[in-house]
Amino acid sequence: AQSVTQLDSQVPVFEEAPVELRCNYSSSVSVYLFWYVQYPNQGLQLLLKYLSGSTLVKSINGFEAEFNKSQTSFHLRKPSVHISDTAEYFCAVSDRGSTLGRLYFGRGTQLTVWP
Amino acid sequence: GAVVSQHPSRVICKSGTSVKIECRSLDFQATTMFWYRQFPKQSLMLMATSNEGSKATYEQGVEKDKFLINHASLTLSTLTVTSAHPEDSSFYICSASQGARGETQYFGPGTRLLVL
Repeated sequence: AQSVTQLDSQVPVFEEAPVELRCNYSSSVSVYLFWYVQYPNQGLQLLLKYLSGSTLVKSINGFEAEFNKSQTSFHLRKPSVHISDTAEYFCAVSDRGSTLGRLYFGRGTQLTVWP
Repeated sequence: GAVVSQHPSRVICKSGTSVKIECRSLDFQATTMFWYRQFPKQSLMLMATSNEGSKATYEQGVEKDKFLINHASLTLSTLTVTSAHPEDSSFYICSASQGARGETQYFGPGTRLLVL
């Protein structure tokens, strides 16, 4: 079975500062990796995903994540955050071998950007 | 594209009554739909996976008779909370995918259920 650990439940940061949200996973099989974002009172939205190929994946709003197989990590980074990035961020994995595509989520990291 | 809707967005009901929540994929056919439950400040917990036209697969610890799931078409799945109790109060979220490996799941906005 897969498990996902997000070590930081809350990350406060000032606007325009860099941020890293950590995600580690445990799995006995190869996985796909995802980051979802949840804004207040909204559903989850896919931020970025790693399926194969380049281990560095990027989103359209400046976030990027790098798959590190040896460290079983998929940390999310942004060089300069905006107040609008304030949200809950969830890391998730799914089993490559599963046709069902079920996702296993971490507990989430609340990113709060202060002016 | 890839919009998933849920109805209702919030509902309050009395203990002992049943509540039905609808999940619809608006612009794509979802062969697989998932139902999650999210407690405050916690992650999403998968309750069940449903494929169109077949019985749902429930996660361990989820009562099949209490949480009835129907996936009648490629665009609609329903979750019925039967004989609701206050401890069933939660945020219920559905997602839909086309079922291929690695396929992105698209999430609905969620339904907040409060059982009095």
